[in-house]
Amino acid sequence: EAGVAQSPRYKIIEKRQSVAFWCNPISGHATLYWYQQILGQGPKLLIQFQNNGVVDDSQLPKDRFSAERLKGVDSTLKIQPAKLEDSAVYLCASSLGRGVGELFFGEGSRLTVL
Amino acid sequence: SQKIEQNSEALNIQEGKTATLTCNYTNYSPAYLQWYRQDPGRGPVFLLLIRENEKEKRKERLKVTFDTTLKQSLFHITASQPADSATYLCAPHRPDGSGNTGKLIFGQGTTLQVKP
Repeated sequence: EAGVAQSPRYKIIEKRQSVAFWCNPISGHATLYWYQQILGQGPKLLIQFQNNGVVDDSQLPKDRFSAERLKGVDSTLKIQPAKLEDSAVYLCASSLGRGVGELFFGEGSRLTVL
Repeated sequence: SQKIEQNSEALNIQEGKTATLTCNYTNYSPAYLQWYRQDPGRGPVFLLLIRENEKEKRKERLKVTFDTTLKQSLFHITASQPADSATYLCAPHRPDGSGNTGKLIFGQGTTLQVKP
């Protein structure tokens, strides 16, 4: 079974530039999560989708971050304009979505903002 | 607001010993608690889940306890090996009112270093 795919794995940009990350969850998984993980910290939930609807985006800095999940499958997370403090690993995870569910994570996209 | 605390200092132990990691939570009533392992440069990987009505759960050399009165979970690795060196994350959890998985909030993780 294929895992959660993310791209790009690494991205370096200047502040005020924009960047987009892509995630393809495990087939059949209804729930998709985007987490931000700053070095030395635990993953912080940015946004959660159930199918193609947003369940929770309370921690998403909406003035610069946006995310969408097309047709309830792939998802894109965009940052525009980027700030230095956005340097982090962006992790995508998916789960079946019903009841108690373990999360399956991708390898993450490491962003460095200069 | 919900708060999850794990030992922020790294835990260094000798190979063969038992490692014990702590996860405390406040302002939260989880029905489950999940533990994940994260290696450098990789995404977290699920290890174990324990339910609120379970006192203890075992899987090979891993043991997890869940005390809802103390609001604490302990994660034990017996006969530890250098390959167990990683960061371990806990995530107290409760499915949402619609029966969906809901969100998982993670602690900051504890880094375990097992020396040969």
